[in-house]
Amino acid sequence: RKEVEQDPGPFNVPEGATVAFNCTYSNSASQSFFWYRQDCRKEPKLLMSVYSSGNEDGRFTAQLNRASQYISLLIRDSKLSDSATYLCVVNIGTGGFKTIFGAGTRLFVKA
Amino acid sequence: EPEVTQTPSHQVTQMGQEVILRCVPISNHLYFYWYRQILGQKVEFLVSFYNNEISEKSEIFDDQFSVERPDGSNFTLKIRSTKLEDSAMYFCASSSGGANEQFFGPGTRLTVL
Repeated sequence: RKEVEQDPGPFNVPEGATVAFNCTYSNSASQSFFWYRQDCRKEPKLLMSVYSSGNEDGRFTAQLNRASQYISLLIRDSKLSDSATYLCVVNIGTGGFKTIFGAGTRLFVKA
Repeated sequence: EPEVTQTPSHQVTQMGQEVILRCVPISNHLYFYWYRQILGQKVEFLVSFYNNEISEKSEIFDDQFSVERPDGSNFTLKIRSTKLEDSAMYFCASSSGGANEQFFGPGTRLTVL
């Protein structure tokens, strides 16, 4: 089983749609969780951290379920500029940290 | 806004040559990382560095790789004898804590001929 697994995508949605990304992780020593976005041939950029209590940043909502080792990202009212690859990222460890990226889910938002 | 910088943006080298990739992390960060991303593939963790020593490393980070913080600002990745399969984008990142969010530099594209 992959350490971090995401929907393979791509997702093609119209502007204004709501889109949900799912991610599962396998290592119970996972400590912290994030969503990043990556544009073509650019560096990953932090979108948001993910907590069990859930967190919201404008149109973006992230949720963590530790019991089922599941992370989600919801984008509401999607914009053309949301088109990117969304990366689920997990930090594993208590002393030294190893960071594992999912393969990413590509999103295309169309007018 | 503070940012991570990397030089060079593109490095072309011959197989078997040594390369050094340079990074300047965000100034008050304490944890530093190197990742690689082969074209079309996912971002892969190479190594984390804290308190002047390697904290964790992946199976990819074998004896041909080394990292160093030669002064108070730079963080380098050395590949001793490059192979064709080392061709990739190499990203440096830094964070204020080991479990905290990481901020990435723009990357160095390494091409091994």
